[in-house]
Amino acid sequence: AQRVTQPEKLLSVFKGAPVELKCNYSYSGSPELFWYVQYSRQRLQLLLRHISRESIKGFTADLNKGETSFHLKKPFAQEEDSAMYYCALSRSGGFKTIFGAGTRLFVKA
Amino acid sequence: GAGVSQSPSNKVTEKGKDVELRCDPISGHTALYWYRQSLGQGLEFLIYFQGNSAPDKSGLPSDRFSAERTGGSVSTLTIQRTQQEDSAVYLCASSEQRGDTEAFFGQGTRLTVV
Repeated sequence: AQRVTQPEKLLSVFKGAPVELKCNYSYSGSPELFWYVQYSRQRLQLLLRHISRESIKGFTADLNKGETSFHLKKPFAQEEDSAMYYCALSRSGGFKTIFGAGTRLFVKA
Repeated sequence: GAGVSQSPSNKVTEKGKDVELRCDPISGHTALYWYRQSLGQGLEFLIYFQGNSAPDKSGLPSDRFSAERTGGSVSTLTIQRTQQEDSAVYLCASSEQRGDTEAFFGQGTRLTVV
């Protein structure tokens, strides 16, 4: 069965410190992986997707099929990065997207 | 429309009453999801509609919860005999049929059962 695991419910770092939000998935085929973000009082929205191989707001995520991971990283956290982050898994062909339980990132001044 | 629209934005209801929450997805999106987000918690999947296929109801927490999607567009989530533990933000999202596309979320309906 497809599953997304985000082992940390809460991650607290100091401003300027590196941050890594962990995401592991279980899926035997070729997955499509995403990171979504929800800032305070805003809608949940897409942050980045692995197929784009892009950096958004300084965040990057690399799909590691060997470790079945898609960790989200940023070298220097900013206070405005404080938000709820969700890792999500899907696959082409009209299959539902599965979300992890989320990790709340708190960046301290 | 400009995005996924949910109504009402806020709903306060008495314990035991029925409530209906509405979601207007983005035009042309065949996939529609309902999630629940309790205070400070993550997303809890409720139900998934994809085109004319039978919905995936595996996330509905009890038989008090039901949802329908009329004409492949608007969806209504109904909670019967509401309980205090039903208090949460109910989120709707829609996407194109292809699984590799972005899911667009509504602003949510905050349900409070008193």
